[in-house]
Amino acid sequence: TAGITQAPTSQILAAGRSMTLRCTQDMRHNAMYWYRQDLGLGLRLIHYSNTAGTTGKGEVPDGYSVSRANTDDFPLTLASAVPSQTSVYFCASSDWGESNTGELFFGEGSRLTVL
Amino acid sequence: GQNIDQPTEMTATEGAIVQINCTYQTSGFNGLFWYQQHAGEAPTFLSYNVLDGLEEKGRFSSFLSRSKGYSYLLLKELQMKDSASYLCVVMDSNYQLIWGAGTKLIIKP
Repeated sequence: TAGITQAPTSQILAAGRSMTLRCTQDMRHNAMYWYRQDLGLGLRLIHYSNTAGTTGKGEVPDGYSVSRANTDDFPLTLASAVPSQTSVYFCASSDWGESNTGELFFGEGSRLTVL
Repeated sequence: GQNIDQPTEMTATEGAIVQINCTYQTSGFNGLFWYQQHAGEAPTFLSYNVLDGLEEKGRFSSFLSRSKGYSYLLLKELQMKDSASYLCVVMDSNYQLIWGAGTKLIIKP
């Protein structure tokens, strides 16, 4: 089973360019998330989606946008990249319900370097 | 503000026991998670506590005291593969996840 697939795994991007990080899950989870992870800091939520067709802003949404056209896909777009967006990006999903804890399942991460 | 505190780094010996502590101050509480993250990899779920007490799962156990805002992760019979970062995460009253910066655990032979 694939779980969550992210692409690309690594990318170097010139400042000012746009970039879309792709995320696809095959677990039919209702909720999906984008986090960034920087050295010495906890994971920070960028955007989330509780269900297809809805999105919300997390802790650090500026400079990023997302869409959730269907259950499986949750792409993250950087419209005009800046060096401070250099980070490791993780996509995650969870399945909220009475019988589970809402634990997160993560993709393998996308390492983005903005020069 | 909301805050999760855990040690930055710990060192332990193969075969021994180590306890990783986590204290939190959050707006309400709806559960506490521990995740394991090996270097260069994604976090993976280890445990979930919502009631006070100890939850045991094989070599790993997690304890919670809600009145003290305190949890620990106990790892027994340490193996080299346990070298990783351990992330403490609290879900607040709005079901938002507050992530600690993680504790890097180094296992020495």
